[in-house]
Amino acid sequence: GAVVSQHPSRVICKSGTSVKIECRSLDFQATTMFWYRQFPKQSLMLMATSNEGSKATYEQGVEKDKFLINHASLTLSTLTVTSAHPEDSSFYICSALHGQGREAFFGQGTRLTVV
Amino acid sequence: RKEVEQDPGPFNVPEGATVAFNCTYSNSASQSFFWYRQDCRKEPKLLMSVYSSGNEDGRFTAQLNRASQYISLLIRDSKLSDSATYLCVVIKSSASKIIFGSGTRLSIRP
Repeated sequence: GAVVSQHPSRVICKSGTSVKIECRSLDFQATTMFWYRQFPKQSLMLMATSNEGSKATYEQGVEKDKFLINHASLTLSTLTVTSAHPEDSSFYICSALHGQGREAFFGQGTRLTVV
Repeated sequence: RKEVEQDPGPFNVPEGATVAFNCTYSNSASQSFFWYRQDCRKEPKLLMSVYSSGNEDGRFTAQLNRASQYISLLIRDSKLSDSATYLCVVIKSSASKIIFGSGTRLSIRP
């Protein structure tokens, strides 16, 4: 079945550094991928919609210069958290639509801790 | 108003009980409906699709009511392992959009 792989699953970084998270669709092409953030005991919050070959669409309140999204191929989208700060510590999850947009699959998530 | 609304709970029920969740959606053009389950510190996983004709999988039954714009999930004979957050998900494939409810927390006690 369709699988979305996200890497790394866990990362600890120093404040001020940048972290790149990868999201891959393993056996299907994903023209659209989604990036979410989830703080403890809160619901998933959509950060941005990543479109292959074009600029990402960011949700209100999400800084596009801080959360850089690149979707250069039909199977890979990356999220780079630039100049990370402790308040960026969160669980980041990607997802992709499959089956002509009728199913959604999720990456395993990345737990980011900024110290 | 949010496009998808769920009662956040938490629902705390004894093992063996029957529990039901509802979710309402505001956009009648919404196309596909699902229930996902999310365990603590894990990614959401598909529990079941939801159809107007109903969908049953073991102890779980999902139903879509397009006229009233809500979907439901019924869990019978609940188990301790059913404790999780249940997410109502609407996919609008024409818009390439996934919309989540905020999730309903369920806790099953022995």
